Amino acid sequence: DIVMTQTPLSSPVTLGQPASISCRSSQSLVHSDGNTYLNWLQQRPGQPPRLLIYKISNRLSGVPDRFSGSGAGTDFTLKISRVEAEDVGVYYCMQGTQFPRTFGQGTKLEIK
Amino acid sequence: EVQLLESGGGLVQPGGSLRLSCAASGFTFSTYAMSWVRQGLGKGLEWVSSIRASGDSTYYPDSVKGRFTISRDNSKNTVYLQMNSLRAEDTAVYYCAKGISVTDYWGQGTLVTVSS
Repeated sequence: DIVMTQTPLSSPVTLGQPASISCRSSQSLVHSDGNTYLNWLQQRPGQPPRLLIYKISNRLSGVPDRFSGSGAGTDFTLKISRVEAEDVGVYYCMQGTQFPRTFGQGTKLEIK
Repeated sequence: EVQLLESGGGLVQPGGSLRLSCAASGFTFSTYAMSWVRQGLGKGLEWVSSIRASGDSTYYPDSVKGRFTISRDNSKNTVYLQMNSLRAEDTAVYYCAKGISVTDYWGQGTLVTVSS
């Protein structure tokens, strides 16, 4: 199974400041079809998960452009350029390349 | 607007069975794979099962293989999760999600509690 490791697990951030979350996979996430299925999800308190970024860097329609994704192979990053209060929650990376699908442990973003 | 509405959760005794349903709308259901993902209380996300658009291929992690069965009825725009031989560790909120490699929409979830 592919192990997804996120760092940090907790991230206190000042409003208006940037935030960054790292996700590392134990194997390459490059699929035989050429795509890299590394996705980022946000889960606000009391809400279901919501997809933010898919295939490393593609924002889902309606996701603010302060969210961006980057990386390749086994190392990926989610960045928030300027954190807003509504960004509080837990962020998960997920690999959709190989079965079983696996998630990172989650990174809790909170406001200082 | 894409909507996924899960139902069928509840309290069940260890060893019991439950069938979850997920009614989909707002997209051409028959052309998309679907997945189930669960989340224990205060815990992270765990993928449970996926099914291709035609229903001809299904996938499970070892933790539920042989106990859970995913299926779909494209005429009813619904995906199901039949859960047998339930264990305490299956207690979780179960989410239905659209997609198999990219899960772009998620339902609100249904709570399954396995306890005597």
